[in-house]
Amino acid sequence: GDSVTQMEGPVTLSEEAFLTINCTYTATGYPSLFWYVQYPGEGLQLLLKATKADDKGSNKGFEATYRKETTSFHLEKGSVQVSDSAVYFCALVNTGNQFYFGTGTSLTVIP
Amino acid sequence: EAGVAQSPRYKIIEKRQSVAFWCNPISGHATLYWYQQILGQGPKLLIQFQNNGVVDDSQLPKDRFSAERLKGVDSTLKIQPAKLEDSAVYLCASSFNLIRQTNNEQFFGPGTRLTVL
Repeated sequence: GDSVTQMEGPVTLSEEAFLTINCTYTATGYPSLFWYVQYPGEGLQLLLKATKADDKGSNKGFEATYRKETTSFHLEKGSVQVSDSAVYFCALVNTGNQFYFGTGTSLTVIP
Repeated sequence: EAGVAQSPRYKIIEKRQSVAFWCNPISGHATLYWYQQILGQGPKLLIQFQNNGVVDDSQLPKDRFSAERLKGVDSTLKIQPAKLEDSAVYLCASSFNLIRQTNNEQFFGPGTRLTVL
């Protein structure tokens, strides 16, 4: 079945460090891919998305590129801030509109 | 635009008791989802409605969980009787789905944190 695999956390970085959170997926057909973020005490919010191969989603300095050849959608940010501390979820939606989430990666950014 | 509303935000019950959660999706959103998020894990889909019909309930423990969306708008999720392992955050989400369109964004409510003692 369809699934999403994320790198395990927690991840702790210093402010202004480079961030990569790996995400790979398994799906039949051509899914859309998403990154959601969950700040402490809040619900999930869409961070960025890509709907087809080679698309790059970007928002708030975060980027992720839909790589069909490696079935990956890694999240990157060049310079993290303390306010980026949150849990990040990779997700896909398949052609049946079924969503699958990864287990989440907790990020803590220290000043 | 109002977001997805859920209530209550927190609930503490004893095992074997019953509990119900309510969700009001964003106006006009045809699809409604209920997820269970256990601490330290990603959301797991329990049930998906398209209008008032069930699209997917394959991971819903039907011996104790039930959900309905009678008028195709708001929805309730019920657990009866609750077990200790049901302690989790229950998330409701909605999306404006078009058939066979895969870029539908889900909008999440704040969740209901359930603790079963």
